[in-house]
Amino acid sequence: EPEVTQTPSHQVTQMGQEVILRCVPISNHLYFYWYRQILGQKVEFLVSFYNNEISEKSEIFDDQFSVERPDGSNFTLKIRSTKLEDSAMYFCASSLNYGYTFGSGTRLTVV
Amino acid sequence: QKEVEQDPGPLSVPEGAIVSLNCTYSNSAFQYFMWYRQYSRKGPELLMYTYSSGNKEDGRFTAQVDKSSKYISLFIRDSQPSDSATYLCAMSDRGDDKIIFGKGTRLHILP
Repeated sequence: EPEVTQTPSHQVTQMGQEVILRCVPISNHLYFYWYRQILGQKVEFLVSFYNNEISEKSEIFDDQFSVERPDGSNFTLKIRSTKLEDSAMYFCASSLNYGYTFGSGTRLTVV
Repeated sequence: QKEVEQDPGPLSVPEGAIVSLNCTYSNSAFQYFMWYRQYSRKGPELLMYTYSSGNKEDGRFTAQVDKSSKYISLFIRDSQPSDSATYLCAMSDRGDDKIIFGKGTRLHILP
């Protein structure tokens, strides 16, 4: 069964450093998303991406965040200057028309 | 009032019992309703997807949506220990749009 692949599974970074989280969505999907889940809290929407541009973003997705689909297969989330409160599980998801498929997530720990 | 409310549990039931999980919501624009299952440190996995009001059955799982009451349910018949996970309700107003998650209900099926 097709799956969304995320790398790395766990990343530790120092506060103020830039991180790039990588995702390979399902190949024929058209819509791409990033969500995050802080430990013990609900899964929160960050950004949606369609037709090579951001279609919607949440209040969390400020100027420190950016997304890119540099080629036909990868979808990345960049955090320019990480803060302690960015520590969370970050999930990539993709969909064709309805019902997302999520990746297993990247656990980001900012120290 | 929170947009999506879900009792976090934990809910413990004996193996073979029928499980009932519920969510309420406040946004009458929601048209698409989903249930996801999430195992520890994994991404959400889509279980059921329903458009508008009504019932949908898939194997041991039945999803119900009552838009007039802004109330959705997931029933699990003949529950198994492998059903032990966190169950997240989720909803959106467009099929390709961001989805809003409930906080999740932790379910334990006791052998």
